[in-house]
Amino acid sequence: QVQLQQLGPGLVKPSQTLSLTCAISGDSVSSDSVGWHWIRQSPSRGLEWLGRTYYRSKWNNDYAVSVKSRISINPDTSKNQFSLQLNSVTPEDTAVYYCARNTNGAYGYWGQGTLVTVSS
Amino acid sequence: QSALTQPPSVSGSPGQSVTISCTGTSSDIGNSNRVSWYHQPPGTAPKLMIYEVSNRPSGVPDRFSGSKSGNTASLTISGLQAEDEADYYCCSYTDSITYVFGTGTKVTVL
Repeated sequence: QVQLQQLGPGLVKPSQTLSLTCAISGDSVSSDSVGWHWIRQSPSRGLEWLGRTYYRSKWNNDYAVSVKSRISINPDTSKNQFSLQLNSVTPEDTAVYYCARNTNGAYGYWGQGTLVTVSS
Repeated sequence: QSALTQPPSVSGSPGQSVTISCTGTSSDIGNSNRVSWYHQPPGTAPKLMIYEVSNRPSGVPDRFSGSKSGNTASLTISGLQAEDEADYYCCSYTDSITYVFGTGTKVTVL
């Protein structure tokens, strides 16, 4: 059974960096048949795909155009987890952030969600 | 990438059928079989109901079915039950190697 456990702060100051980690159990971050994604949800923006990391002979990343200049998603094979970093946050980045496992283009497993508030 | 368009709400009585549409473009739904649907009760993470347009994961009742025609995907719930009341979202892979979600539909069981 795959489980995703999210860790990270729920409050970030404007202009600082949002950092979240997603610990994986029941699968490997290095699996060559899945992708590891970050998605966020807010009342104003709904569900918004942020990006992914995945391994296919080498590590690859894809990011949403809306955050491409500010985002980094990285695997940590030693801890079997992956992380999200979003720089220069503003109040518009306030949302519930989810990590999720993608196979065949669909999200069968999700983390529990982390409400991140951007406020001073 | 603009969000896929869903009706804000649909409703039906127990036992009835409801269909939720999800309209995109030729750059997402129209050119991808990686269309999926999610059910999200309040305060919980989304749950996968349909993948690859019309496939049900193990454990999802066969009352849920998916289809696609052109740039529009649809989710039909047959034999509506009280437990089906929730928000529903569609999702599609895109030509830009990204994913896009729908605007969400609230299903109300009358």
